[in-house]
Amino acid sequence: AQSVSQHNHHVILSEAASLELGCNYSYGGTVNLFWYVQYPGQHLQLLLKYFSGDPLVKGIKGFEAEFIKSKFSFNLRKPSVQWSDTAEYFCAVNAPLSGNTPLVFGKGTRLSVIA
Amino acid sequence: NAGVTQTPKFRVLKTGQSMTLLCAQDMNHEYMYWYRQDPGMGLRLIHYSVGEGTTAKGEVPDGYNVSRLKKQNFLLGLESAAPSQTSVYFCASSRTGLETQYFGPGTRLLVL
Repeated sequence: AQSVSQHNHHVILSEAASLELGCNYSYGGTVNLFWYVQYPGQHLQLLLKYFSGDPLVKGIKGFEAEFIKSKFSFNLRKPSVQWSDTAEYFCAVNAPLSGNTPLVFGKGTRLSVIA
Repeated sequence: NAGVTQTPKFRVLKTGQSMTLLCAQDMNHEYMYWYRQDPGMGLRLIHYSVGEGTTAKGEVPDGYNVSRLKKQNFLLGLESAAPSQTSVYFCASSRTGLETQYFGPGTRLLVL
């Protein structure tokens, strides 16, 4: 079964600091990869996704993620965080060649940005 | 275009009571999902549906039932609520099983 690991449970950064959130998955075949964000009190929204092509994916609000197949990783990055980036971030994966497999989510990383 | 809506937003139940959560989507999506979100556990899939009239079990299906009688609606039922079912429940939908899922605003359920 697929699994997704997000190693950081809670990250605290000052405004303007750079961000990198780790995501590793266990599946060895072709994967679709997603990062979702949940702002306080809100529902999940898509930040970015990777299906194929350029492994460096750019999303909304200045976020990007890099797919490194050899490391089974899809880390999320942002060069300079803002207070409004305070949220919980979820990595998710599914396997398009394995039938109708639903998305598997990581446990999430809570990001707190302080002034 | 409302996207994905959930009813109710908040509910308090006593142990043993039953209730139904309603999810509706207006995007003509085939796939619909029910998740529960608990602190430190992320999102866990309860049940999902790949089309009208179909349902399938997810990671944590016990204690829940679902129905998808109409394409736009996906109902989650708790027949006999337990305190362990205290959680925030999110519904989502997607055009196919591999594409972006769109989430509803959530239902906060407290079982006493």
